[in-house]
Amino acid sequence: EAEVAQSPRYKITEKSQAVAFWCDPISGHATLYWYRQILGQGPELLVQFQDESVVDDSQLPKDRFSAERLKGVDSTLKIQPAELGDSAMYLCASSLARGTGELFFGEGSRLTVL
Amino acid sequence: QKEVEQNSGPLSVPEGAIASLNCTYSDRGSQSFFWYRQYSGKSPELIMSIYSNGDKEDGRFTAQLNKASQYVSLLIRDSQPSDSATYLCAPEGLGNEKLTFGTGTRLTIIP
Repeated sequence: EAEVAQSPRYKITEKSQAVAFWCDPISGHATLYWYRQILGQGPELLVQFQDESVVDDSQLPKDRFSAERLKGVDSTLKIQPAELGDSAMYLCASSLARGTGELFFGEGSRLTVL
Repeated sequence: QKEVEQNSGPLSVPEGAIASLNCTYSDRGSQSFFWYRQYSGKSPELIMSIYSNGDKEDGRFTAQLNKASQYVSLLIRDSQPSDSATYLCAPEGLGNEKLTFGTGTRLTIIP
């Protein structure tokens, strides 16, 4: 069964350091999402790509976060510098097209900032 | 007012009983609604979608939608211990096709 791949599964870093997460969506899925989920809360959308284009990054803290999907396939989310409040699960999801509502999530990358 | 409100629980239901999960939303333009299930330490997975007022049944699950009241619910019949999870309500915004997740309701089925 096709899955969304994410790495690393776990990342521990010190504040002010840089960190990067990688996501490979299900083959053929044009839409890719990065969500952040703080313990006890629902996922919050950080950025949404349609192919290689950003269609929504209104909740992405652009002073420290960046995301790219250069060839419209895999994607990288970067944080620099990391802050204590960035500790969370970073979830990547993909869908066949926008507006389907059926998102397939990866296992997530858990970030701990010390 | 939060965009999507859910009772965070925990909601405890005896095995075999009906679990009722509720959600209200603020965006009157939302037309599509989704329920995701998230087991502890795992990622969310889609279990139900509903687009029209009324009920939609899928196995032991029934989604109910009332757009006038901006209310959507999920019923789980014959609850099983494997249903113990957090259930996330996610309306889709009109025009932006963006899912906004609620904080989720943690459900525990008691054997």
